[in-house]
Amino acid sequence: EIVLTQSPATLSLSPGERATLSCRASQSVSGSLAWYRQKPGQAPRLLMYDASNRATGVPARLSGSGSGTDFTLTISSLEPEDFAVYYCQHRSSWPPMYTFGQGTKLEIK
Amino acid sequence: EVQLVESGGGLVQPGGSLRLSCAASGFTFSSYWTHWVRQAPGKGLVWVSGINSDGSSTTYADSVKGRFTISRDNAKSTVYLQMNSLRAEDTAVYYCARERWELLSFYGMDVWGQGTTVTVSS
Repeated sequence: EIVLTQSPATLSLSPGERATLSCRASQSVSGSLAWYRQKPGQAPRLLMYDASNRATGVPARLSGSGSGTDFTLTISSLEPEDFAVYYCQHRSSWPPMYTFGQGTKLEIK
Repeated sequence: EVQLVESGGGLVQPGGSLRLSCAASGFTFSSYWTHWVRQAPGKGLVWVSGINSDGSSTTYADSVKGRFTISRDNAKSTVYLQMNSLRAEDTAVYYCARERWELLSFYGMDVWGQGTTVTVSS
């Protein structure tokens, strides 16, 4: 079973700063990784799929990179709406099984 | 408007059963995989179960295998999660989500419902 480990657990930054969130897989997952943002009391929102492709409506200040075991979600200049919890997710090929990381909380410093 | 709406949550005693529903609208429901993902209070996201577009393939997390059953009725654009032998640790908000499924690409879960709360307690 693949385990996804996100770091850091909490990231404290100010608006306008650059955020770098990490997701590390226990074994290679190729590029099969997605990123989500979740705000309190809301459902998750898809941000990235296939590691580096922005979902519909996601602004260009968010970017995803990586392959194999190490993945990064970068937010180039933080906006107020970016402060939330972020999850990475992997899907195995067949049968499809899905794993989430434990999350990174991005909070206002 | 593309949306998923969950229902059926509530309070149930340990060992009891509950059936959740997820009603879809605004898109071709029969073209997508649909999943259930849960979130215990103050905790992270956990995938529970998924079903393919025509209902012929289902997958489950080990923690619910043998207790939960996912199904779908494409004529009603609805997915169900039958939950039996419920335990306290099944207490969570249950979300349904759709996935455009292809073998060689992972498009993620791009539409989510608002969630329905299941509480297992005596």
